[in-house]
Amino acid sequence: EAEVAQSPRYKITEKSQAVAFWCDPISGHATLYWYRQILGQGPELLVQFQDESVVDDSQLPKDRFSAERLKGVDSTLKIQPAELGDSAMYLCASSFSTRGKNIQYFGAGTRLSVL
Amino acid sequence: AQTVTQSQPEMSVQEAETVTLSCTYDTSESDYYLFWYKQPPSRQMILVIRQEAYKQQNATENRFSVNFQKAAKSFSLKISDSQLGDAAMYFCASASQGAQKLVFGQGTRLTINP
Repeated sequence: EAEVAQSPRYKITEKSQAVAFWCDPISGHATLYWYRQILGQGPELLVQFQDESVVDDSQLPKDRFSAERLKGVDSTLKIQPAELGDSAMYLCASSFSTRGKNIQYFGAGTRLSVL
Repeated sequence: AQTVTQSQPEMSVQEAETVTLSCTYDTSESDYYLFWYKQPPSRQMILVIRQEAYKQQNATENRFSVNFQKAAKSFSLKISDSQLGDAAMYFCASASQGAQKLVFGQGTRLTINP
């Protein structure tokens, strides 16, 4: 069964360092999402792509976070510089289209710890 | 803006018994969808069940069913014949037709007692 792939699974970094997370969606899924899940809370959307275009990045802290999906397939989320408050699980999800009823399939996530 | 509230941080149930997880939501959209996702420890989040708001009939998937009360903006999940593998965090979420991003509740941690 096709899955959303994410790497790394775990990342430990020091404050002010740069980190990057990678996501490979299910083949054929045009829509890709990055969510941030703080421990004990539900995920919150950071950025949504339709193919290679950003559809929604209203909650992305653009002073330190960036995301790209250059060829409309895999995606990278970057944080520079990392801050203590960025410690969280970063989840990637993909869906076939942007219609609300479409199911989003999630990857296993990258757990970031900032020391 | 959409909001989703789960008022039960933790629930527990005996194996083979039935448990109901609560969820309320608020939205100004007329066309929207509601979901329950399950997040097992250290594993990816998976969809349990989905409800289209325009459908009056409650969705059912095997041992999982929902009680969708549109006027009350309530969307509870019932798990029948609970199994050890049902232990997980359960998240209620909503999405509008126009903006597919999921808005999640805070989650309910479900423990199954053998």
